[in-house]
Amino acid sequence: ETGVTQTPRHLVMGMTNKKSLKCEQHLGHNAMYWYKQSAKKPLELMFVYNFKEQTENNSVPSRFSPECPNSSHLFLHLHTLQPEDSALYLCASSQDEREVFYGYTFGSGTRLTVV
Amino acid sequence: QQQVKQSPQSLIVQKGGISIINCAYENTAFDYFPWYQQFPGKGPALLIAIRPDVSEKKEGRFTISFNKSAKQFSLHIMDSQPGDSATYFCAASQPSTGAGSYQLTFGKGTKLSVIP
Repeated sequence: ETGVTQTPRHLVMGMTNKKSLKCEQHLGHNAMYWYKQSAKKPLELMFVYNFKEQTENNSVPSRFSPECPNSSHLFLHLHTLQPEDSALYLCASSQDEREVFYGYTFGSGTRLTVV
Repeated sequence: QQQVKQSPQSLIVQKGGISIINCAYENTAFDYFPWYQQFPGKGPALLIAIRPDVSEKKEGRFTISFNKSAKQFSLHIMDSQPGDSATYFCAASQPSTGAGSYQLTFGKGTKLSVIP
């Protein structure tokens, strides 16, 4: 496996369910990110982890809970979501040093539908 | 407040033509300007990027033009092909105030359709 892998690719959940999104990077990067992509909106940064430490929480509702057990894995735990949370959730990773920062490598995303 | 403004929202170009997408920014601390290409059902993929110490960067049919004084940069796709049909995002980054992480701020995207 290479790059950034996200599972599942598609998820349909009810508003009372609890589910988790998983992201794994095989690039040896030290930073990982969760982004939300909705139709006709810019990519929205949700969370940033640098060396497993959360460095950013972009005013994300508490129904989204990230977890980064090591520098290769990132999870997004979901509970009591709303229909407006339906979106494509993208994970990305990067090597976070100026001299070698070449942007992000994204996974293919999880298409989440809340019913 | 949107920090990176991208235009147009959508673009239709004939095969063989030149596609041009523009972005403007306000934050002079931005020091890295990538373009991403996204196909349906896929995550964005880095296409080409530039740092502000150069005014142009070319990779194959893709060129970034950068105007530091105007705080604008653009993507030119020469000899556009139907396979270039995708959504293109410009972005800009600066070191965050957090633990040194570099965060990308994205434009809203341009949906490019190249017709035969």
